[in-house]
Amino acid sequence: KAGVTQTPRYLIKTRGQQVTLSCSPISGHRSVSWYQQTPGQGLQFLFEYFSETQRNKGNFPGRFSGRQFSNSRSEMNVSTLELGDSALYLCASSPGTGGLYEQYFGPGTRLTVT
Amino acid sequence: GNSVTQMEGPVTLSEEAFLTINCTYTATGYPSLFWYVQYPGEGLQLLLKATKADDKGSNKGFEATYRKETTSFHLEKGSVQVSDSAVYFCALYDNQGGKLIFGQGTELSVKP
Repeated sequence: KAGVTQTPRYLIKTRGQQVTLSCSPISGHRSVSWYQQTPGQGLQFLFEYFSETQRNKGNFPGRFSGRQFSNSRSEMNVSTLELGDSALYLCASSPGTGGLYEQYFGPGTRLTVT
Repeated sequence: GNSVTQMEGPVTLSEEAFLTINCTYTATGYPSLFWYVQYPGEGLQLLLKATKADDKGSNKGFEATYRKETTSFHLEKGSVQVSDSAVYFCALYDNQGGKLIFGQGTELSVKP
């Protein structure tokens, strides 16, 4: 099976712009979660989608949003970019939702905001 | 709230040395526990997991045992290789928040 894919792998944006990141989960997986990784804050949970519904949300401002499509592919959007949004954004897919299911991560999208 | 604490790195070992990376957690109930590994420029790879007390997860020579008495999930390997050089993350699944909570990561460097 193909793994989790994320596009693009690298992005450079300017403050105030918006950005959309894409994640394609492993075939058959219905849950997609997003995490932000920074040197200062480590790995932090953004949100989880399961069957096109947001199930859980982390402690991030409303500028961060996401959605999931009927084929389980997911996108996340960040509006009005700030310098502090520079990070590695990781997507993880899972067959289901809950601690008994393993989460498989993609390679990430490296976002740089200038 | 739930949290994970890992030993600070970087950890530098010689090839074939014994590895221990300490991980302790604070949680309500008995969450599933995981170890992930991140190689430079890559995402996270699941290394092993344990879903209940006294479970031992193992993979590629790495082992970790879910100890509820000491709320620990220490990662061990009997003989490390240069190719094991990476950052290792301990994590628990927060059932209430529906998310993985990660430790800060421990960088391992193995010298030939």
